[in-house]
Amino acid sequence: AQKVTQAQTEISVVEKEDVTLDCVYETRDTTYYLFWYKQPPSGELVFLIRRNSFDEQNEISGRYSWNFQKSTSSFNFTITASQVVDSAVYFCALSEMTSGTYKYIFGTGTRLKVLA
Amino acid sequence: ETGVTQTPRHLVMGMTNKKSLKCEQHLGHNAMYWYKQSAKKPLELMFVYNFKEQTENNSVPSRFSPECPNSSHLFLHLHTLQPEDSALYLCASSFTPGQDLYGYTFGSGTRLTVV
Repeated sequence: AQKVTQAQTEISVVEKEDVTLDCVYETRDTTYYLFWYKQPPSGELVFLIRRNSFDEQNEISGRYSWNFQKSTSSFNFTITASQVVDSAVYFCALSEMTSGTYKYIFGTGTRLKVLA
Repeated sequence: ETGVTQTPRHLVMGMTNKKSLKCEQHLGHNAMYWYKQSAKKPLELMFVYNFKEQTENNSVPSRFSPECPNSSHLFLHLHTLQPEDSALYLCASSFTPGQDLYGYTFGSGTRLTVV
């Protein structure tokens, strides 16, 4: 069965601090996809990144970086030098093929508060 | 603007009312989804439509009735709801279900309150 765990319910940091959001997943499949989304107060989830199970290279995009480790089934997200605009709820998601279609499951989200 | 538009943004309805939520996208996507987001719970997938055909119904109560007249529009018809149905209802779309290179595109949601 698929499962995505975001153990951190809420994190508060002071602006310019680095912060890491944890995501641990469970899957029996060898081919799957992992995603991170950001949900600002306006409500929509904004796609940040997709990673497929065969690509363990870490990725950096500006102040954002992602660490994918299959050995620990983790796909953690780090924001460097956090800013107030980073305040949002962040969701990790897993997608794998089930019965011929891809099933998408989200974690419960981590609320990040960046204080000025 | 994400390209997925949901109306209304807020809705308050009584338990005996009938209302509809609307979702529209002109991104050329073929799959559309309804999600329910309640406080402190994971996003719950309700329905999936692919090329206008419903491909998934996650045991959603019949008081929620989806309609997909074409690949650009998705509705969620509501009737005789319960207070526990109060939540943020999110619509999303993608080219294909589940593994798009750029993920799903979400609307801003409809905040529904049932009184």
